[in-house]
Amino acid sequence: KAGVTQTPRYLIKTRGQQVTLSCSPISGHRSVSWYQQTPGQGLQFLFEYFSETQRNKGNFPGRFSGRQFSNSRSEMNVSTLELGDSALYLCASTPGQNTNYGYTFGSGTRLTVV
Amino acid sequence: GENVEQHPSTLSVQEGDSAVIKCTYSDSASNYFPWYKQELGKGPQLIIDIRSNVGEKKDQRIAVTLNKTAKHFSLHITETQPEDSAVYFCAASRGNSGYALNFGKGTSLLVTP
Repeated sequence: KAGVTQTPRYLIKTRGQQVTLSCSPISGHRSVSWYQQTPGQGLQFLFEYFSETQRNKGNFPGRFSGRQFSNSRSEMNVSTLELGDSALYLCASTPGQNTNYGYTFGSGTRLTVV
Repeated sequence: GENVEQHPSTLSVQEGDSAVIKCTYSDSASNYFPWYKQELGKGPQLIIDIRSNVGEKKDQRIAVTLNKTAKHFSLHITETQPEDSAVYFCAASRGNSGYALNFGKGTSLLVTP
């Protein structure tokens, strides 16, 4: 069974640009969550999608957005990049209907903003 | 919101010894407590979890204990091996869909041969 797939693995962007990251969940999983991981702040929740609807949102500025498609694949977008957006962005999926048990994470996308 | 504190931030043990990592949480409604292991260049991997109706859970060399009254839970690794070296994260959540996992800041465990 394939795991959670995130693409690309690495990205380098310039301040002010925008970026789109992609996540394909485990087959059959309908919930996708996104986390930002930095050395200083640790793992911080961005948002969660279930059946194409945002079900929960963390405390991040509006420059961070996401969406989910009918096949459960998800994308997140960061506009007007800042140096502080440099981080590992992790996606996790669960079957997700009633509980958030058993998050399975992907390997992440390492974003560097220069 | 939920606040999860994790100690210690670094832990070094000799191969064969035990390692204990402790976490406290603030939201009394939290009822799901997973532990993740993250190796270099990889995403966090779920190694064990416990739900609030259970006080202790074991899986081979790994065990987790939960004290809901005191709002703390711990990870115990016995007979440590060099391949146990990694960063370990605890998390807490209400467990219902729509609630995020709130993570501790992580413990970097080094097991020396």
